[in-house]
Amino acid sequence: EAGVTQFPSHSVIEKGQTVTLRCDPISGHDNLYWYRRVMGKEIKFLLHFVKESKQDESGMPNNRFLAERTGGTYSTLKVQPAELEDSGVYFCASSQEVRVSHEQYFGPGTRLTVT
Amino acid sequence: AQTVTQSQPEMSVQEAETVTLSCTYDTSESDYYLFWYKQPPSRQMILVIRQEAYKQQNATENRFSVNFQKAAKSFSLKISDSQLGDAAMYFCAYTTNYGGSQGNLIFGKGTKLSVKP
Repeated sequence: EAGVTQFPSHSVIEKGQTVTLRCDPISGHDNLYWYRRVMGKEIKFLLHFVKESKQDESGMPNNRFLAERTGGTYSTLKVQPAELEDSGVYFCASSQEVRVSHEQYFGPGTRLTVT
Repeated sequence: AQTVTQSQPEMSVQEAETVTLSCTYDTSESDYYLFWYKQPPSRQMILVIRQEAYKQQNATENRFSVNFQKAAKSFSLKISDSQLGDAAMYFCAYTTNYGGSQGNLIFGKGTKLSVKP
């Protein structure tokens, strides 16, 4: 069984540009989470999808971030326009059930650098 | 707001020795879950061990065990017989059903563990 995959693994863009990150969860996992780790800080929750619906987007920093999960399969996270403080590692995770005790499987992350 | 604190940015252990990583958390909830995740260099984060707050017995997974002190809000990870493959960043995490969250994890800053041969 394939794990959670993320694309690209690295992205370097200039301030003001747009970047789209992609996450493919484990097949059959209805729950998909996005997290972000800024250098030297904690990994922070961004949002949670259940199938194609946004269950919780309380962690999204501002309206420059847009997440979608069309068809309840893969998800994209678009940053437009990117700012310097958006640099960090963006993780995606998926889980089969919404029970909080259920293990979340993480992707390798996308390292975003905004210059 | 719930918080998770890992006070040890880096730790080092000799191969075959035992090491304990510290984690404290703050919450007003009584029902929650605690996790230790491991992220090896350039690899994905994986779950090492989990603890349900309502269980008094400390969780154990092979060489990994926790010391869960609910009153003190402490959740330390003990790695016995350390192996070179244990070298990684270790994250302590918390979640609860309350406050509208649905499995959203709250992480500490992480502890980088080095294992010396």
